[in-house]
Amino acid sequence: GAVVSQHPSRVICKSGTSVKIECRSLDFQATTMFWYRQFPKQSLMLMATSNEGSKATYEQGVEKDKFLINHASLTLSTLTVTSAHPEDSSFYICSASRGPLNTGELFFGEGSRLTVL
Amino acid sequence: DAKTTQPNSMESNEEEPVHLPCNHSTISGTDYIHWYRQLPSQGPEYVIHGLTSNVNNRMASLAIAEDRKSSTLILHRATLRDAAVYYCILQGAQKLVFGQGTRLTINP
Repeated sequence: GAVVSQHPSRVICKSGTSVKIECRSLDFQATTMFWYRQFPKQSLMLMATSNEGSKATYEQGVEKDKFLINHASLTLSTLTVTSAHPEDSSFYICSASRGPLNTGELFFGEGSRLTVL
Repeated sequence: DAKTTQPNSMESNEEEPVHLPCNHSTISGTDYIHWYRQLPSQGPEYVIHGLTSNVNNRMASLAIAEDRKSSTLILHRATLRDAAVYYCILQGAQKLVFGQGTRLTINP
């Protein structure tokens, strides 16, 4: 099946620093990528939808200046958590669609666990 | 996005069938029903999806009620590797919004 890779898988940073997480579709071109965050024992929360070459669409309540999303190519999207604080510690998961979602063509990365000290 | 309701948890025995229910009484005519599952510390994995007709694949079967207000994911012969959180999601727009899911425990 299609592969979506995230890097880094784990990152620890100090409060106030910025962290970048990469999401790559390894064997297909992804017109749309999605970013989710997940707190322990909770479900995934959709943060934003990212289309190649255009600005991301953020879900209500997600600060776009805090979570910068760039989708520069059909195989790469990045999420930058700016001025991270301990409450930003979470599991961040990206997904990439190979086609319309009603074809079932949505593939998830392994997730990136961010810990802010 | 229309809401789904799933039991918080279910338990089954290895090598037995498992029926995971999902209620979606506010589903619209064009909403697809997707099922994903998530193993601990991993990203979700696609299981199956459908619109109106029942669907089968190598992982599972999806039974959709005639009025589409509910559906059931069927694992025909559960293994320990099927222990996961299973999410039933309605897809209307081009995005998937996850609900709380059902935590499935498989007993050896």
